[in-house]
Amino acid sequence: QKEVEQDPGPLSVPEGAIVSLNCTYSNSAFQYFMWYRQYSRKGPELLMYTYSSGNKEDGRFTAQVDKSSKYISLFIRDSQPSDSATYLCAMSDGFGNEKLTFGTGTRLTIIP
Amino acid sequence: ETGVTQSPTHLIKTRGQQVTLRCSSQSGHNTVSWYQQALGQGPQFIFQYYREEENGRGNFPPRFSGLQFPNYSSELNVNALELDDSALYLCASSPGTSGRYSEQFFGPGTRLTVL
Repeated sequence: QKEVEQDPGPLSVPEGAIVSLNCTYSNSAFQYFMWYRQYSRKGPELLMYTYSSGNKEDGRFTAQVDKSSKYISLFIRDSQPSDSATYLCAMSDGFGNEKLTFGTGTRLTIIP
Repeated sequence: ETGVTQSPTHLIKTRGQQVTLRCSSQSGHNTVSWYQQALGQGPQFIFQYYREEENGRGNFPPRFSGLQFPNYSSELNVNALELDDSALYLCASSPGTSGRYSEQFFGPGTRLTVL
C-alpha cells in the first residue's frame, strides 16, 4: 500500500463547476500538506499548503485537512479552462523542505 | 530573481550508459532535492543535499548519486542506466530549515529516455 493515495482520474468538468480533489494517507507523522499544480511538460508549482488539521482558503481554492481521518481535499470554485492541469497532493513530516511524499496526481480538464 | 533551472531539457541514452543531469538552485537557496517522476505517477524523492552534504535519501539504488557545489548548484548522476530509469527528473530548491514552513521550488525537469 502506498503512503499517499490519490485518484488519478482523469476528471472532466464544465467551466464554472466546483471541483473536489482528494488524497488519503497512512503516515500519521505527516504535518504539512500541500497541493501542487503541474501543467504539461512543466515542473510542479505550489498552490497551497496547510499545517495540521483545518481549512485554508486562497481565492477560488480551499484546502481541507482532516488528520483524524487521514484525508485531505482541495476544492476549486468557479473552475476555469486555465485550471486544466494535473493536481498533486504532497506531504511532509518536517517543515516542507525535506522529503515530500506525493500522490499519483489527478489530471483535471475544464471544458469551456 | 532567477528560478530553478535544469539542463539538459531532454536526453536519450541507451541501457548501460551513464548520465549527468544538472540543476541551478534559486538565488539564496542552500538546499536541493531531486525527484524522479515516471509517466502518470507522482514525483518520487531520490535524495537531498544541504550545504554540499547529502541530507536524506529515498529508496533508490546506489547507482543514483549526487553532488552539490559551493554555489549550491547540483548534479544527479545515474550509472548503468536501465529502461525503468526513463522518467522526468525534477530538481527542487528551498532556503533551508528555519523552524517554519519552507517551500520547495521546482525546476522544469529533464526528460530522460533510456532505449
